[in-house]
Amino acid sequence: QSALTQPPSASGSPGQSVTISCTGTSSDVGGYNYVSWYQQHPDKAPKLMIYEATKRPSGVPDRFSGSKSGNTASLTVSGLQAEDEADYYCSSYAGSNIFVFGTGTKVTVL
Amino acid sequence: EVQLVESGGGLVQPGGSLNLSCAASGLTFSNYWMNWVRQAPGKGLVWVSRIKGDGSNAAYADSVKGRFTISRDNAKNTLYLQMNSLRDEDTAVYYCGTDRYGPGDYWGQGILVTVSS
Repeated sequence: QSALTQPPSASGSPGQSVTISCTGTSSDVGGYNYVSWYQQHPDKAPKLMIYEATKRPSGVPDRFSGSKSGNTASLTVSGLQAEDEADYYCSSYAGSNIFVFGTGTKVTVL
Repeated sequence: EVQLVESGGGLVQPGGSLNLSCAASGLTFSNYWMNWVRQAPGKGLVWVSRIKGDGSNAAYADSVKGRFTISRDNAKNTLYLQMNSLRDEDTAVYYCGTDRYGPGDYWGQGILVTVSS
């Protein structure tokens, strides 16, 4: 049950795009399409942004998109806005009813 | 509107026990797998436990296996986490979450558990 690997930080200016990677193994990210992404503002509960690697829940802006290739999933935020500044976590199903989270990425809007 | 409200947290000494509750409303509770996720102060999210809608198929992170027990009462729309033999490293905010697509589609507000002497 090792955590998925994310870069500690990412940044971009308003209007730019930022992409966050989430690297696992063939036992989690690479083995299932059950990758989800969460946004967390300080002292708030996480919010689901992407599920099943590429799908957006109702109400999430289409500036947020997800992809997956092999053992690595990615979240792209296009047209960065000030309110996108937050921590972002990926998660993957890892078999045997177990989930694993990523290490988290702090996104800063410059 | 789906609402999840955790309760039962607080300060406990190492080796002690706590029982967290998560009251759900606005959904057909028995249809949902449910999860507990925790976050130590200043740290990332960590998956803790998962249970199927009918109360079967419980699963645990290695770090809590044998010490924590997840359960649910579908008649009361409530999820539980019985935490025994608590350690300093169990100090965290504990979140409950519905599970259609992963460990949290809807989340509670979180409840703080502090293990300290």
